[in-house]
Amino acid sequence: SQTIHQWPATLVQPVGSPLSLECTVEGTSNPNLYWYRQAAGRGLQLLFYSVGIGQISSEVPQNLSASRPQDRQFILSSKKLLLSDSGFYLCAWSVTGRDNYGYTFGSGTRLTVV
Amino acid sequence: QKEVEQDPGPLSVPEGAIVSLNCTYSNSAFQYFMWYRQYSRKGPELLMYTYSSGNKEDGRFTAQVDKSSKYISLFIRDSQPSDSATYLCAMINTGGFKTIFGAGTRLFVKA
Repeated sequence: SQTIHQWPATLVQPVGSPLSLECTVEGTSNPNLYWYRQAAGRGLQLLFYSVGIGQISSEVPQNLSASRPQDRQFILSSKKLLLSDSGFYLCAWSVTGRDNYGYTFGSGTRLTVV
Repeated sequence: QKEVEQDPGPLSVPEGAIVSLNCTYSNSAFQYFMWYRQYSRKGPELLMYTYSSGNKEDGRFTAQVDKSSKYISLFIRDSQPSDSATYLCAMINTGGFKTIFGAGTRLFVKA
């Protein structure tokens, strides 16, 4: 069965510190991978998506970056966090050609920048 | 104008009530319509999906799509306290990679 792992679950980081969030998928090959951010009481904001190794599309200009070093690994990074980077970060995957286009989400990382 | 509009609520109903959750959208290219349920501090989970116009039923849940009005609905019958969550509508066009999400409606079902 397919599973998605996302860690850590919670993170408190000082302003200006670096960030690395990791997401891995099991049980499927060549998934589409996504990073979303969800601010309190707001919808899901797409940050990055990837359709293959090394292929990253950025949706929102900001101080975040993403990488896909392996087929089922997706990493979200920042060199220097801002207060505005606080939020709930979600990784998700989908497979092109599936008839429902649904995403499977990870359990999320709650980031607080202090 | 946002591509997808969804009333954030909160919506509070007594146990056993019929719940109606709705979204409107502006992009006529959307073909696949989904509803996700998100419990507090968890990732969203796919609840229902529908292709094009029509109804789809799964247990106590019914999803409706009216493409002519650009309006989708999720009905929950015999609502339970365990249905208390945020419900997000979502949609995507055929062949697309980017799903567009509504802001989510927060639902409380009181015992």
